Amino acid sequence: NAGVTQTPKFRVLKTGQSMTLLCAQDMNHEYMYWYRQDPGMGLRLIHYSVGEGTTAKGEVPDGYNVSRLKKQNFLLGLESAAPSQTSVYFCASSEWALAGGTDTQYFGPGTRLTVL
Amino acid sequence: AQTVTQSQPEMSVQEAETVTLSCTYDTSENNYYLFWYKQPPSRQMILVIRQEAYKQQNATENRFSVNFQKAAKSFSLKISDSQLGDTAMYFCAFMKQWSGAGSYQLTFGKGTKLSVIP
Repeated sequence: NAGVTQTPKFRVLKTGQSMTLLCAQDMNHEYMYWYRQDPGMGLRLIHYSVGEGTTAKGEVPDGYNVSRLKKQNFLLGLESAAPSQTSVYFCASSEWALAGGTDTQYFGPGTRLTVL
Repeated sequence: AQTVTQSQPEMSVQEAETVTLSCTYDTSENNYYLFWYKQPPSRQMILVIRQEAYKQQNATENRFSVNFQKAAKSFSLKISDSQLGDTAMYFCAFMKQWSGAGSYQLTFGKGTKLSVIP
């Protein structure tokens, strides 16, 4: 199993450009997440999904959109990139734990995005 | 809202020695999970260990163990017999137990940079 993969690994954008980050998981996990990591800070949740066709906002959703058309894929879109969105983006996925909580989140390798 | 505090931005340890990384958190929840993640220079986030708040027994994974003090809201990570491959950023993280509503957000601390010295 590849686990969680992210495409691309690196990207440089100009202000105002748009792009989509792709996250794919082959573990049949229900839950998927997008985080951003900025220097000197831990990861912060942007959006998440609890199943195919569903999405919800996290802690820092502004300027981003997401879609979960297939269970294994979770897309993160930037419609009009801004320098403040320069960051490292991580995707994660987790199973549904029947005991009453979500299971451990497993992370992809990250995408380093620079907006000039 | 939950907060996670890691008060040691950087630490170093000699190879084969033991080191303890500190983490405190603030929450009004009674049921939750705590995690330690490792982020080596490769940038991959790797789960090190997890603890369920309802369990009194401290979690252990080989050379890694935690000291979970629920009343004090403290969750420290002990690494025994430190190895060069342990050099990484270590993040402490908190997750509420699902209650039928709300997010499944992991709340992270700012991390501790650990260097293992040969």
